[in-house]
Amino acid sequence: QVQLVQSGAEVKKPGASVKISCKTSGYTFTIGHYIHWVRQAPGQGLEWMAWINPNTGGTKYAEKFQGRVTLTRDTSTNTAGMELSSLRSDDTAVYYCAREDNWLRSLDYWGQGTLVTVSS
Amino acid sequence: QSVLTQPPSVSGVPGQRVTISCTGSNSNIGAGYDVHWYQQLPGTAPKRLIYGNINRPSGVPDRFSGSRSGTSASLVITGLQAEDEADYYCQSYDSSLSGSGVFGGGTKLTVL
Repeated sequence: QVQLVQSGAEVKKPGASVKISCKTSGYTFTIGHYIHWVRQAPGQGLEWMAWINPNTGGTKYAEKFQGRVTLTRDTSTNTAGMELSSLRSDDTAVYYCAREDNWLRSLDYWGQGTLVTVSS
Repeated sequence: QSVLTQPPSVSGVPGQRVTISCTGSNSNIGAGYDVHWYQQLPGTAPKRLIYGNINRPSGVPDRFSGSRSGTSASLVITGLQAEDEADYYCQSYDSSLSGSGVFGGGTKLTVL
């Protein structure tokens, strides 16, 4: 079965960077399914951040995160990664990776989420 | 402010029918991008509920249905049940944002 398993919670100081991993299994990582990253601040809604094409490494970032977010993928371990730099307190959120289906572009499988807390 | 607009909250009693709207513009829903809906129970990751405007994944009860018309989409829940109490989000893509993904602000459904 398809699974996306994310790395554990992080606590970071303002100005630092955080990297979250998303290990996939149950399907062919490099065929047909982009990986998206979505975040949710405490008590707030979902916010789309970016996607990566695991086959080519091509990426698309939301304008808001341009220059601060970097997506990566490791085809040897079927793992996607998201690094967010220059952290601020308002980056405190749960970060999700999600797989895009290869037909209508919905997000059909989600990781369990990774809480990132930014605090001095 | 979200690109897609949803009512912050809706409510209903068990057995009732409720509708959650998702209003976009000519650069997203109106441009032909499909609308997808997600259900998020407290403390859990979102779960795909409706995809491609009208399609239900296997395992999702047929009490849930979706539609799209013009620059808007709707999620309808019939025969409301207590377990439907959750947050619901619509999602699409936007050509004015170079194809970036966009979400609605979310709707909290309360079952009275």
